[in-house]
Amino acid sequence: AQSVTQLGSHVSVSEGALVLLRCNYSSSVPPYLFWYVQYPNQGLQLLLKYTSAATLVKGINGFEAEFKKSETSFHLTKPSAHMSDAAEYFCAVSRPSLNTGFQKLVFGTGTRLLVSP
Amino acid sequence: GAVVSQHPSWVICKSGTSVKIECRSLDFQATTMFWYRQFPKQSLMLMATSNEGSKATYEQGVEKDKFLINHASLTLSTLTVTSAHPEDSSFYICSARGREYNEKLFFGSGTQLSVL
Repeated sequence: AQSVTQLGSHVSVSEGALVLLRCNYSSSVPPYLFWYVQYPNQGLQLLLKYTSAATLVKGINGFEAEFKKSETSFHLTKPSAHMSDAAEYFCAVSRPSLNTGFQKLVFGTGTRLLVSP
Repeated sequence: GAVVSQHPSWVICKSGTSVKIECRSLDFQATTMFWYRQFPKQSLMLMATSNEGSKATYEQGVEKDKFLINHASLTLSTLTVTSAHPEDSSFYICSARGREYNEKLFFGSGTQLSVL
């Protein structure tokens, strides 16, 4: 079975500071990994995804994440936080199916990012 | 945390039939529910947002007559795929939020639909 653990339900940073949101996964096969963001009053949006290509993945809005197999991690980072980054962030893992292409997403519990002036 | 129950987890149906997927919030009142679908090897895409007691808001490109969403109560939203075709085969997932958990989002476990 696959699972995702997001450490810290809330992370607070100051504007301009480094953002680090942690995600560790468990998977018996090479996983696909995703980071999604939910801004207030909106649905989920994809930030970035890892699908077994480059281990350092760059996403939208200056975010990036690095797949580290040895640490089973896929932490999300951004060098300098902006007020508009305040949102809830979800890490997700899925198992690619060669037969059907279908994959079941398993989400973490989410981390709320708070950005102070 | 809260529990969002989605049923069924897997459904296979014949082309032309309709399929209903249920999404229930078990221990909170879901004022807003979201429906997503995921095409093979792609990321999750928002289909629609539904608020209890009002019509769902569909994303651009999503056919409202094809994907009927009903959010008649604070604990239940349903997605009906009408006259399903093989191209509707996908993974559908719902999420819900409510005031009891400070509007935090919780996900159902998803439904894999296969249309033959």
